[in-house]
Amino acid sequence: NAGVTQTPKFRVLKTGQSMTLLCAQDMNHEYMYWYRQDPGMGLRLIHYSVGEGTTAKGEVPDGYNVSRLKKQNFLLGLESAAPSQTSVYFCASRGLAANTGELFFGEGSRLTVL
Amino acid sequence: DAKTTQPPSMDCAEGRAANLPCNHSTISGNEYVYWYRQIHSQGPQYIIHGLKNNETNEMASLIITEDRKSSTLILPHATLRDTAVYYCIVRVAGGSTLGRLYFGRGTQLTVWP
Repeated sequence: NAGVTQTPKFRVLKTGQSMTLLCAQDMNHEYMYWYRQDPGMGLRLIHYSVGEGTTAKGEVPDGYNVSRLKKQNFLLGLESAAPSQTSVYFCASRGLAANTGELFFGEGSRLTVL
Repeated sequence: DAKTTQPPSMDCAEGRAANLPCNHSTISGNEYVYWYRQIHSQGPQYIIHGLKNNETNEMASLIITEDRKSSTLILPHATLRDTAVYYCIVRVAGGSTLGRLYFGRGTQLTVWP
C-alpha cells in the first residue's frame, strides 16, 4: 500500500517552460488536494477535487491548472513557469468519512524555476 | 475559519512530556481542532483531532479547555523522532472544504537528548 505518491520528486525548470506534477493515491479516496509550501511558511491550498472529473480553486490558484480524469490521479500543471512558483508542492487525499480530519500527504515535489 | 496562535518554538528533553499550546479564541461551535506535524522535508502527518472532549490515541493526547478557546497537544514521552513542526488547525469537519486547512507557521518542537 503506497498511499500518496508524487512524481517527480525534484525538477528544475527555466522560466516559461511547462510541466505537470502527478499525484497518485491507492486508497480510493474521493478528495484530493494540491498545496505549496514556501520557506518558513505553512501550506497554502492551490486547487482541490471532490471527485473524478471535478476541480475547484483554493487560496493561490493563479498560474496553475489541474485535472482529475481518474479517481486515483490528480495532476497539477504549470503552463508557463515563473520563478515565483519555486516551491515544494504537496499532494494530499482524504476519504469520505464525515468526521475524520485525516489528510494523507505525499512526500513532496521540490520545484525550482530559474 | 478560526485562526490559531502557537508559539514559534519549544524544546523538550527526551523522555519527558511535550505540551504544545494553541489558542483559538474565535472558534465556532461546529469547528474541530486538528493537529498535524511535519518532520523536516516530509509531508504533514495527521496526529489527532477533537471537538469538545479530550481525546487520546497512540500518538498523543488532546486537551481542549471547557470554553474551547485553547487546547494543548501532549506527547507523553517525547523522542528525538518527535522533532518536527506542529500545526494546530481549526476547521469544520467533513465536506470538501475540509482540505482547506490553514496551516499557519506552527510550533517547531525540538527534542534534545
